[in-house]
Amino acid sequence: SAVISQKPSRDICQRGTSLTIQCQVDSQVTMMFWYRQQPGQSLTLIATANQGSEATYESGFVIDKFPISRPNLTFSTLTVSNMSPEDSSIYLCSVLLSWASYEQYFGPGTRLTVT
Amino acid sequence: GQNIDQPTEMTATEGAIVQINCTYQTSGFNGLFWYQQHAGEAPTFLSYNVLDGLEEKGRFSSFLSRSKGYSYLLLKELQMKDSASYLCAVRDLQAGTALIFGKGTTLSVSS
Repeated sequence: SAVISQKPSRDICQRGTSLTIQCQVDSQVTMMFWYRQQPGQSLTLIATANQGSEATYESGFVIDKFPISRPNLTFSTLTVSNMSPEDSSIYLCSVLLSWASYEQYFGPGTRLTVT
Repeated sequence: GQNIDQPTEMTATEGAIVQINCTYQTSGFNGLFWYQQHAGEAPTFLSYNVLDGLEEKGRFSSFLSRSKGYSYLLLKELQMKDSASYLCAVRDLQAGTALIFGKGTTLSVSS
């Protein structure tokens, strides 16, 4: 299994500002992903964080709005840029331990409120 | 793309059995997953099916029919703590490695 921590756990931000969310895993993992969960909704994949290269974004998400870094096999960041109230959501980091594993583990999430 | 459908809400009583259905359409199917999510918490893994048939794990079982694009999660001997959202997800290798989730089914268990 994997222990995943996220910082901050929650934040309240003003529109137009940016917030960087950190995801730290207690072991090296093959894949890292970022999801968004809007109030009362299910999980939507934002992007796959690739180590040493640009993230792979899903349709509807762009790098300028959600820049992602993954400098090594245990850490990733997601920035929510130029925030608007529509960005209020829970942002979750998720990992796949190895190519041989199938279970995806989730971090505790970051609850973001934009005012 | 992927299309995953599951009922929005279900209700049941303690001690009963409930079946949550999920239908899906994918191009490169590589597994069907069920997660449980309590309000305010992260999703936790329940089950994984990649071959047809039934997988049993305690009070929870999951079934898969790849030809029908159909799965269900069966919860037996329901307890109040089973009140949660149940998320059906698929891995579609033609779309990447990450799980793609359905909208989730909110289960309410009453006494």
